[in-house]
Amino acid sequence: AQSVTQLDSHVSVSEGTPVLLRCNYSSSYSPSLFWYVQHPNKGLQLLLKYTSAATLVKGINGFEAEFKKSETSFHLTKPSAHMSDAAEYFCVVSGGADGLTFGKGTHLIIQP
Amino acid sequence: DAGITQSPRHKVTETGTPVTLRCHQTENHRYMYWYRQDPGHGLRLIHYSYGVKDTDKGEVSDGYSVSRSKTEDFLLTLESATSSQTSVYFCAIRGTTGGWGTEAFFGQGTRLTVV
Repeated sequence: AQSVTQLDSHVSVSEGTPVLLRCNYSSSYSPSLFWYVQHPNKGLQLLLKYTSAATLVKGINGFEAEFKKSETSFHLTKPSAHMSDAAEYFCVVSGGADGLTFGKGTHLIIQP
Repeated sequence: DAGITQSPRHKVTETGTPVTLRCHQTENHRYMYWYRQDPGHGLRLIHYSYGVKDTDKGEVSDGYSVSRSKTEDFLLTLESATSSQTSVYFCAIRGTTGGWGTEAFFGQGTRLTVV
């Protein structure tokens, strides 16, 4: 069995400041982990993924995430927020054929 | 963008009527999924398919059925729509080249309202 907990339902930051979106996971085996972003009224877009190679993963639009097995975490960061980053972010763990297990999402708000 | 199309994009239907949503892919991917998205719940798996005529239930399958008669098409049917099935439905496809580390690609979603 696997599960994902996104620790914050909403995060608000000022434009130009760092972003941290927190995710903890539970998995019976070595997981594959993903972050997806969903802009309003849009589908989901892959930001980045971890598949047991480098623990620091770089994604699109300046985002990166670090896999920490000892902490069962996969937090998403960005050094400097932009207004266009305002969206819903989902942390996702991959199991088997039954696809992906989603966290409940973190709504990122960017203050001007 | 991955070749995945959902239809219709929006639908309003009455309680008790059957509804079918269609997902069509041009990527020849083995796995196809139906999720529903509701506020505060993220995306929850309804049904998935691992090949033609091979399907299985997900977390929230009650009241839904699926069919996959061709690799490219995956249909979701609400047998008798209820207001609790008002939601946004997403189809996803997934290949096998990276094992379970392979990412899924999502359609644009279908907004279904049951009145």
